[in-house]
This record gives sequence, C-alpha cells and structure tokens, in this order.
Amino acid sequence: IAGITQAPTSQILAAGRRMTLRCTQDMRHNAMYWYRQDLGLGLRLIHYSNTAGTTGKGEVPDGYSVSRANTDDFPLTLASAVPSQTSVYFCASSPGTANTEAFFGQGTRLTVV
Amino acid sequence: GESVGLHLPTLSVQEGDNSIINCAYSNSASDYFIWYKQESGKGPQFIIDIRSNMDKRQGQRVTVLLNKTVKHLSLQIAATQPGDSAVYFCAEKKSNFGNEKLTFGTGTRLTIIP
Repeated sequence: IAGITQAPTSQILAAGRRMTLRCTQDMRHNAMYWYRQDLGLGLRLIHYSNTAGTTGKGEVPDGYSVSRANTDDFPLTLASAVPSQTSVYFCASSPGTANTEAFFGQGTRLTVV
Repeated sequence: GESVGLHLPTLSVQEGDNSIINCAYSNSASDYFIWYKQESGKGPQFIIDIRSNMDKRQGQRVTVLLNKTVKHLSLQIAATQPGDSAVYFCAEKKSNFGNEKLTFGTGTRLTIIP
C-alpha cells in the first residue's frame, strides 16, 4: 500500500442497512478526515481525527460514526443508511499542525436505495 | 458563522490565458488557507497554501493572494493549459496541534478552452 486507500470503490446499499467504509493510510499521518461530496455542495466534513484515539465532529456528523483505534485506520460507519446518504465519500490524511497538505483517497461511491 | 465559500461556480478561460478563481471566507481565526484541485473521478490534490499573516505566495504557475481586510482569497493560474481543467476548492484550517479541522468551500469548475 502506498498512500491512502478506501474500500469499497462503490456500493449499492438498501436503506436501513449498516455499512462501514474503510480507510487506511501508510504514511503515519496524525490527522484523518471523512468528507462527503454532493453535486453543488462541494466537500463537507463529516468527522475528523487529530490523532489516534481522538475524533471530532465536522459539519455533517449526524447518521455517521467513526473510530480511530490506531494511526493507520479510520473507518466510517453508517448505522442505518438512508437515501440522503447517497454520495461520494472521500477519506483523507494529513501530517497535521502546520502542514496543510491533505492526501485524499480515490473515493467511495455509495448509493442508498 | 464559520464558512468558506466561492463567488462563481464555473469559469471558462482560453488556453494560454491567465485565470483567477476567487473565494470568500468568514472565519478570521483560520491560520491557513489552501487551494485544492480535483480532476474528474479523483480525489482533491493540494496545490498551494498561504499562512494568514501573508498576503501573497507563489508556486509554479500559480499565485495565491489573501486580502484579510475583505476576507477574500484568490488563486491565479498563469498560461493555462488543458490539464488545468478541473474543480478548484479553497479550504481553511488552524495550525495548532489538536485542532486539525480542515473545511472546504463549494468549488469552482474551471474549463480551459483549446
């Protein structure tokens, strides 16, 4: 693995089902992020993590949960998916503090039907 | 409230001309303002950043200007090329450890006309 990896690439999910989007980075970055991208609304921050063991809420956290058990992994869980959660989800990581460069995964296209 | 937004959703520029993409922000407490480029089907890529105590920073073919008086940020791309066609986002963050929140604006789609 080189960089940041998301899985799955795409998924069609029945409403009400639980789903976990996976994100793994091998750069030993402190900060990690989950964004959703909808047409016309840009990138909206769902949750973020300053460092392993800590998480914080972003702009649109409702319906999502995250955990940061270690430095490399930052999974995003939809406990009970709803159609409004249909979106493209991007995970990102950054060294943190004064280093502003975030590295993004290729995205997960999620469709909730 | 805290927000980062853009004036225009689309911009078309003739190849070889210079382009200017604008962004307005409202959070004066941000330490850094950053520009990202997103090509179709890919995640955003870092272009350039500027610290809040600066008013100008130059990179390769790109210049970012920060006007704190009117809370305005711009990205200038010189001698545009077809590969510059993409969506451009401005973003902001604090720099202190323990506050890594990175928020993005809506984005501007730049189209380079051959």
